[in-house]
Amino acid sequence: EAGVAQSPRYKIIEKRQSVAFWCNPISGHATLYWYQQILGQGPKLLIQFQNNGVVDDSQLPKDRFSAERLKGVDSTLKIQPAKLEDSAVYLCASSLTRLANQETQYFGPGTRLLVL
Amino acid sequence: KQEVTQIPAALSVPEGENLVLNCSFTDSAIYNLQWFRQDPGKGLTSLLLIQSSQREQTSGRLNASLDKSSGRSTLYIAASQPGDSATYLCAVISGGSNYKLTFGKGTLLTVNP
Repeated sequence: EAGVAQSPRYKIIEKRQSVAFWCNPISGHATLYWYQQILGQGPKLLIQFQNNGVVDDSQLPKDRFSAERLKGVDSTLKIQPAKLEDSAVYLCASSLTRLANQETQYFGPGTRLLVL
Repeated sequence: KQEVTQIPAALSVPEGENLVLNCSFTDSAIYNLQWFRQDPGKGLTSLLLIQSSQREQTSGRLNASLDKSSGRSTLYIAASQPGDSATYLCAVISGGSNYKLTFGKGTLLTVNP
């Protein structure tokens, strides 16, 4: 079974530039998550999709971050304009969303973003 | 608001030693607790998942326990090996959270040969 795919793996940009990340979840997984992991911290959920609808985006900085999941499969996360504090690893995860106590999320390798 | 704390932040042990990593959470109304491993530059790999009705789970040299009422979990690693060196993250899914994982900051484990 193929895992969660993410690209690019690394990205270096200057502040105020734009950047986009792509995620392809495990086939058949209805739920997709984007997490932000700042160095030395645990991952923090930015946005959660169920099929192509948003379930939770309460921690997404909507003035600069946007995400979409067209056709309920692939997803893109965009930052425009980027700030220095956006330097982090952006992790994508997917799950089947069965019973809550059995919920397991599968993570991609992440995209490491450095904003200069 | 759920908060997850992991102690210690970093741990260095000689090869072969048994060790315990600790995790605590503030809201005991959880669906499950998971332990993940993260290697440098890599994503997260799920090690063990303990459902809220369970007390422990085992996988090979790993054993995780859960005391939901006290808001604590431990990850026990037996006979540690250099290949166990990684960051270990604890995460919980809380009630009413839309299955959102709340993570601790992790414990950086170094096993010295």
